[in-house]
Amino acid sequence: DTAVSQTPKYLVTQMGNDKSIKCEQNLGHDTMYWYKQDSKKFLKIMFSYNNKELIINETVPNRFSPKSPDKAHLNLHINSLELGDSAVYFCASSQEVYNEQFFGPGTRLTVL
Amino acid sequence: GDSVTQMEGPVTLSEEAFLTINCTYTATGYPSLFWYVQYPGEGLQLLLKATKADDKGSNKGFEATYRKETTSFHLEKGSVQVSDSAVYFCALPTGGGNKLTFGTGTQLKVEL
Repeated sequence: DTAVSQTPKYLVTQMGNDKSIKCEQNLGHDTMYWYKQDSKKFLKIMFSYNNKELIINETVPNRFSPKSPDKAHLNLHINSLELGDSAVYFCASSQEVYNEQFFGPGTRLTVL
Repeated sequence: GDSVTQMEGPVTLSEEAFLTINCTYTATGYPSLFWYVQYPGEGLQLLLKATKADDKGSNKGFEATYRKETTSFHLEKGSVQVSDSAVYFCALPTGGGNKLTFGTGTQLKVEL
């Protein structure tokens, strides 16, 4: 059973398009996250949600809009994609804050 | 703010060599500390963790000891294998525990 899943795994699109990445966790966790990994492998938090409520928005452009329809899902919608949005996006979840986080397999986004 | 400093890679070792990847942290209080591993093309997996000072985390032959005197959490393995080739990340919870702050990652390549 996959604990944290993301779709799609790869996403190639043109500049200016709008796209979404879906994330689901079956661990019963209360907290979910989105991280961005750049080409140098550096990982940085984008958003943190606890019980469907936004906790952290780490100076992410307004073009990025997370949505949590329920505790098991945290989707990421990106408007007006730019070249600099090309990266690997990871979803993660944890039972509580300060605990270890479980990561999905990542979505590699390429903006042409 | 709380942060993690990790030795830069890449690190190239021969099989059965001894591995050390240095990690030091700056934190308020004594948060849990984590090592994550990212195999090529995959997401992050928790490798080991320590929840308080002097704790030793261990898994798959890897070890790290939480040392508050030196604010360090160095990763060690006595005999690396080719299958250990991956990127290793040191991390700690920050932002009230609502996110993980990662080191820059250390790429390890093990050769026969």
